[in-house]
Amino acid sequence: AQSVTQLGSHVSVSEGALVLLRCNYSSSVPPYLFWYVQYPNQGLQLLLKYTSAATLVKGINGFEAEFKKSETSFHLTKPSAHMSDAAEYFCAVSGIGGGFKTIFGAGTRLFVKA
Amino acid sequence: EAQVTQNPRYLITVTGKKLTVTCSQNMNHEYMSWYRQDPGLGLRQIYYSMNVEVTDKGDVPEGYKVSRKEKRNFPLILESPSPNQTSLYFCASSFGGSLQETQYFGPGTRLLVL
Repeated sequence: AQSVTQLGSHVSVSEGALVLLRCNYSSSVPPYLFWYVQYPNQGLQLLLKYTSAATLVKGINGFEAEFKKSETSFHLTKPSAHMSDAAEYFCAVSGIGGGFKTIFGAGTRLFVKA
Repeated sequence: EAQVTQNPRYLITVTGKKLTVTCSQNMNHEYMSWYRQDPGLGLRQIYYSMNVEVTDKGDVPEGYKVSRKEKRNFPLILESPSPNQTSLYFCASSFGGSLQETQYFGPGTRLLVL
C-alpha cells in the first residue's frame, strides 16, 4: 500500500539546535510532497511543498526540506530551533497511485527545550 | 478574510443520532475535502470533492456521507454515528484539483459519540 512514514512520533531539541524531522514515502513515481504544521488547538497550515521544481524547498519560519528521489525522502530541517516552533508537523503526499487523494503521515510532535 | 469555517466546533452526541458538520469556504475553491485526525494515525481522508456534484471516497469513507450542491459548502453527514467515529474532524479546500495545490484547513470539529 502506498504510505507516508514519519520517523519519530516525538522529537525534542534544545532552543538553538538543529531541527530534523524525517519523512519517507512509498511510490514508484515522485509525488507532490508537503509539510504542514499544526499549532495547539488549530488547523493545519502549509510550511512548504515540493512540486518537481527545485529539490531544495524553502518554506516559512526558516524551515526547508530536500526531496531525495533515490531515498524517497523529504526530510524537514531548520538550522536553529525557536520556542515558537513547538508544534505537530505532518508530512503529506498527493498523486500516489493516481486519483486525487492526499495521504498524511502520522505526525511528529516537536518539543523545544529552553 | 479568506477562510474555511466549520460548525459546530465541539459536539457531543449519542450513538445512532444523525448529525451534520458543516464546512464552508469563501475562496471560490473547487476542491474540498474532509479528514479525521486520531492520535498516532495522523490525518486520514474521508471524502473529497473536485467540484459541485463531484465527490469521491478517501481512505476511510465508511459511516460517512457528503454532498456538494454548492461550490462553497461541503457538509459531512453521519447518518448513524458510532463511538469509533469519535475524533477530530477537519475540512480543507484548495483552489483547483491539481495535486500540487496547497490545502487550507478549517479550525476543526471535535466530536464525541457516546
